[in-house]
Amino acid sequence: ETGVTQSPTHLIKTRGQQVTLRCSSQSGHNTVSWYQQALGQGPQFIFQYYREEENGRGNFPPRFSGLQFPNYSSELNVNALELDDSALYLCASSWDSHYGYTFGSGTRLTVV
Amino acid sequence: KNQVEQSPQSLIILEGKNCTLQCNYTVSPFSNLRWYKQDTGRGPVSLTIMTFSENTKSNGRYTATLDADTKQSSLHITASQLSDSASYICVVSSSGGSNYKLTFGKGTLLTVNP
Repeated sequence: ETGVTQSPTHLIKTRGQQVTLRCSSQSGHNTVSWYQQALGQGPQFIFQYYREEENGRGNFPPRFSGLQFPNYSSELNVNALELDDSALYLCASSWDSHYGYTFGSGTRLTVV
Repeated sequence: KNQVEQSPQSLIILEGKNCTLQCNYTVSPFSNLRWYKQDTGRGPVSLTIMTFSENTKSNGRYTATLDADTKQSSLHITASQLSDSASYICVVSSSGGSNYKLTFGKGTLLTVNP
């Protein structure tokens, strides 16, 4: 599947820093959700945005925040990075919650 | 609590052989179930999607089944190839409208050896 673009593909940050990850959703999709996937684990739901409003959140602290823009692209911001934040961050977009969600290739974040 | 359990955790087979991966879920209300293939360090790619009324869905050498009564699904891979080596993730979507949630299994790591 194509259409969801994430940037950057890889990133190395120092503990305590802040990071912004970006996601361009597939054309026509108005819903974006973000996931954290640790090595060897399934993705964990961070939050979801529908038409620029957050309408669902997983068990992540407030230092994980996000935005969705009028063109439905999205950002994930993480403040005060911790070593355990090292993971693959996935973005998925959808036009209809029932059916069509497409994942991007992810951003590999390493916190040192 | 919504949960998706996959088995086996990992599997090693020889090229050309068939295999079946299992997914049991306790997600309510059920919307649909998808199987994804995820190569290491890459995003998941959808293989099949099934709604409540569908029992079987095929995509080339991949065939997924769904038993909504027992809340079980399987993914059968026929005539495996080396490129099938990946993690296979079962994902169940609950509810509807704009407020939905995906529940992920932890995946089955498949290794196909020559």
